[in-house]
Amino acid sequence: GDSVTQMEGPVTLSEEAFLTINCTYTATGYPSLFWYVQYPGEGLQLLLKATKADDKGSNKGFEATYRKETTSFHLEKGSVQVSDSAVYFCALSVPLNFNKFYFGSGTKLNVKP
Amino acid sequence: DTEVTQTPKHLVMGMTNKKSLKCEQHMGHRAMYWYKQKAKKPPELMFVYSYEKLSINESVPSRFSPECPNSSLLNLHLHALQPEDSALYLCASSHPMLAEQFFGPGTRLTVL
Repeated sequence: GDSVTQMEGPVTLSEEAFLTINCTYTATGYPSLFWYVQYPGEGLQLLLKATKADDKGSNKGFEATYRKETTSFHLEKGSVQVSDSAVYFCALSVPLNFNKFYFGSGTKLNVKP
Repeated sequence: DTEVTQTPKHLVMGMTNKKSLKCEQHMGHRAMYWYKQKAKKPPELMFVYSYEKLSINESVPSRFSPECPNSSLLNLHLHALQPEDSALYLCASSHPMLAEQFFGPGTRLTVL
C-alpha cells in the first residue's frame, strides 16, 4: 500500500547549520509529494510540493527534489534559524482517491542559538 | 480569502455533552477533510467530503457525525465522546485540480 517513512527525531542543530530530513515513500501510480510544517499549537502549513519526478520544490530556503529512482523526497536547508524549530511532516497524495494524504511520522527540529 | 478557519479554538466537554466543530473556507475548494491529531503524531484522516458528499469515512465511531451543508462549510458533531477522543481536530480543504491540502488552525478538544 501507499506509505511514507520519515527519519526519527528529534533533530537538534545549531543556528546556521545544514539541515537534512530524510523521507522515502511507497506508492502505486504517480503521487504528489509534500512537506508540511507545524509550529506548536497550530495547524499544518504547506512548506513545499512536487507533483512529478525530478521536480524540485522550494520555499523560504527549504528545498526537496522528487526522486522516483530512489523513491525519496528529502528536505534540505542550507542554514537553519531558531525560527525554523517546528515539526516537519512529509506526505504523499494519491490521485483519483480524493487526494487522500499519507503522512510520515513527523520530525521535530530544534534549532539552538 | 486564502485561509481555512475553525471554531472554536478550544473546547472542553463532558462525556454526556453534545457539541459541534465548525470549519469554513472561501477558496472555492470542493473537497474538505476532517483529521484527528494526537500529541506527537501525524494527523489521522477521519472523513472526506467531495462536492458536499461524504466520500471517505475511515471507520470513525458514530459518536462523530460530519455534515457538509454547503461547499464552504464543514461541521463535525460530537456526542457521548470518551476521554481518549481528546485531541487536536484539524480541517483541511483542497481544489479539484490541485493535490495540496490547506489546513485550518485546529480545535483543541478536551473530553472530561
